Amino acid sequence: GAVVSQHPSWVICKSGTSVKIECRSLDFQATTMFWYRQFPKQSLMLMATSNEGSKATYEQGVEKDKFLINHASLTLSTLTVTSAHPEDSSFYICSARPWPVTGDDEQFFGPGTRLTVL
Amino acid sequence: AQTVTQSQPEMSVQEAETVTLSCTYDTSENNYYLFWYKQPPSRQMILVIRQEAYKQQNATENRFSVNFQKAAKSFSLKISDSQLGDTAMYFCAFNVGGGADGLTFGKGTHLIIQP
Repeated sequence: GAVVSQHPSWVICKSGTSVKIECRSLDFQATTMFWYRQFPKQSLMLMATSNEGSKATYEQGVEKDKFLINHASLTLSTLTVTSAHPEDSSFYICSARPWPVTGDDEQFFGPGTRLTVL
Repeated sequence: AQTVTQSQPEMSVQEAETVTLSCTYDTSENNYYLFWYKQPPSRQMILVIRQEAYKQQNATENRFSVNFQKAAKSFSLKISDSQLGDTAMYFCAFNVGGGADGLTFGKGTHLIIQP
């Protein structure tokens, strides 16, 4: 149980195009999902918190018009990188918090999406 | 703002040995959560162990245990009887709200288990 998927696992796009990354909780509902960014050989940095039915909360320094987050259902959050540029190339990871909260109130991670912008 | 510091970029030990990864953090909060995550080459984040700050007893999960020193703001991970499959990046992480909050991660320690 508690499986989170991401699609696509790897995407290559041209500079200036937009790319959408999906994060799905497969066997549980999630009112809260989180998006992280991981540069090569570096740590994960929290980008934003996605709440079902409301606007996402972005961390300081993250451009909300650049990284559009939509949490339209209890099992799906999407991250759209708009007008992507090579510096947006990174590994994007989501995590999801099951609802209702049970046990250890753990968040579960997706396998990540590698974005390469040419 | 909270910060998490891992001062060991890389460690290497022989199989079956015990290894300790260090982590310190800084926060003004009194109640919070600390985590160790494992990221193998597949890059899938795996929760290794979790500690709630109000619990004095150190958390353990099979071969993994922590030494939580709240006053010193230290949270080290001990891996006993290390196995080849333990080779991975290990990240120490912190948050205030448990599952409700995003995580602040340290820079990670690359642990290599030698056969």
